[in-house]
Amino acid sequence: SQQGEEDPQALSIQEGENATMNCSYKTSINNLQWYRQNSGRGLVHLILIRSNEREKHSGRLRVTLDTSKKSSSLLITASRAADTASYFCATAGYGQNFVFGPGTRLSVLP
Amino acid sequence: DAGVIQSPRHEVTEMGQEVTLRCKPISGHDYLFWYRQTMMRGLELLIYFNNNVPIDDSGMPEDRFSAKMPNASFSTLKIQPSEPRDSAVYFCASSLPSRKLGHLYTGELFFGEGSRLTVL
Repeated sequence: SQQGEEDPQALSIQEGENATMNCSYKTSINNLQWYRQNSGRGLVHLILIRSNEREKHSGRLRVTLDTSKKSSSLLITASRAADTASYFCATAGYGQNFVFGPGTRLSVLP
Repeated sequence: DAGVIQSPRHEVTEMGQEVTLRCKPISGHDYLFWYRQTMMRGLELLIYFNNNVPIDDSGMPEDRFSAKMPNASFSTLKIQPSEPRDSAVYFCASSLPSRKLGHLYTGELFFGEGSRLTVL
């Protein structure tokens, strides 16, 4: 299975701190994506990084990808209470079957 | 665009009843996915379609589950008969992969708000 596995399962930080979440996967990928899910809502796409990219930025988000280690990290800088959510990595092979990891629950305390 | 639209948002039914969940993908997207989310198993891909044709249904748990996509703007996921273990949130998502120089690049998924199913 190419399923991603996020680490940690849960993370609690103070507002203004940085939050780092990691994702590991098992097989070759086309790209890796990160999604956010607020409680009771659908998933929202945050950022996509292709297999030939090593780092990508979007606002306060920074994603890295290490294909040799089959791992990725998501960094949220200067976190806000509104960042409280579950974060999922999804790996996509060369078909269209996205596989999601179990997610990291992030709590940002005011 | 209104995004991916799912209905109903909530469904409570009794064991043995038929359940039909509906999805309208984003106009122009040619891939449609059905996912199921539970605390125990996380997000599971049930089936996905390309241009209304089922491509991979290996995630469909058993014959009680069926999915159709009669046209580009509508899909259904049916459970008959329903069981308590089917209780979950069912998500529909659509995507439009990019195509460059003959290669297909996986795009982002756009999710609906989900249908929360409770089977008593």
